[in-house]
Amino acid sequence: AQTVTQSQPEMSVQEAETVTLSCTYDTSESDYYLFWYKQPPSRQMILVIRQEAYKQQNATENRFSVNFQKAAKSFSLKISDSQLGDAAMYFCAYRSAEEYGNKLVFGAGTILRVKS
Amino acid sequence: NAGVMQNPRHLVRRRGQEARLRCSPMKGHSHVYWYRQLPEEGLKFMVYLQKENIIDESGMPKERFSAEFPKEGPSILRIQQVVRGDSAAYFCASSPQVRTHGYTFGSGTRLTVV
Repeated sequence: AQTVTQSQPEMSVQEAETVTLSCTYDTSESDYYLFWYKQPPSRQMILVIRQEAYKQQNATENRFSVNFQKAAKSFSLKISDSQLGDAAMYFCAYRSAEEYGNKLVFGAGTILRVKS
Repeated sequence: NAGVMQNPRHLVRRRGQEARLRCSPMKGHSHVYWYRQLPEEGLKFMVYLQKENIIDESGMPKERFSAEFPKEGPSILRIQQVVRGDSAAYFCASSPQVRTHGYTFGSGTRLTVV
């Protein structure tokens, strides 16, 4: 079974600065997807960014980018120019592309606090 | 497009009562997933359904929990004889048939058992 580990329960960043959230995963599969979700206090799960394992190029969405290291099974999220609205719980998630059903496996989450 | 709609947003039940949680997927989405989030934890998969079929229920407790996604109407997650440990946020997500798409999540139902 696949597992996802987020080793940082909590992180803080100063507004306008850059922060990196860590995520590692364990799988024997070669084809899969990785995601970062944001959960603000409203509880809504918001997709931040997605990476396809067969693509070597790291995904980027505006101020959000990932560092995907397939051999190391590492998938970190970098947030540049942090804003107060970035404060939330961030979840890393894994989804198999090989297994029918494609359920998401989540990490335990990292609380991100943004200081003004 | 209204997104994934879950209701109620908050639900309070006494121990031993039944809880019914509803999820209407996005228009055009035929796959529905239910997840549970315990306090201070990540989401855990419970069940995956397509219209009228349960595809994967490997994450759902064998007793007291059931799910359905009828041909017409929303998907329902039913918890019978609730206990305090069932208190959690329950999220529904939907996706279209194309497997590469990410999910769209609803806002969740927070169940409190008193």
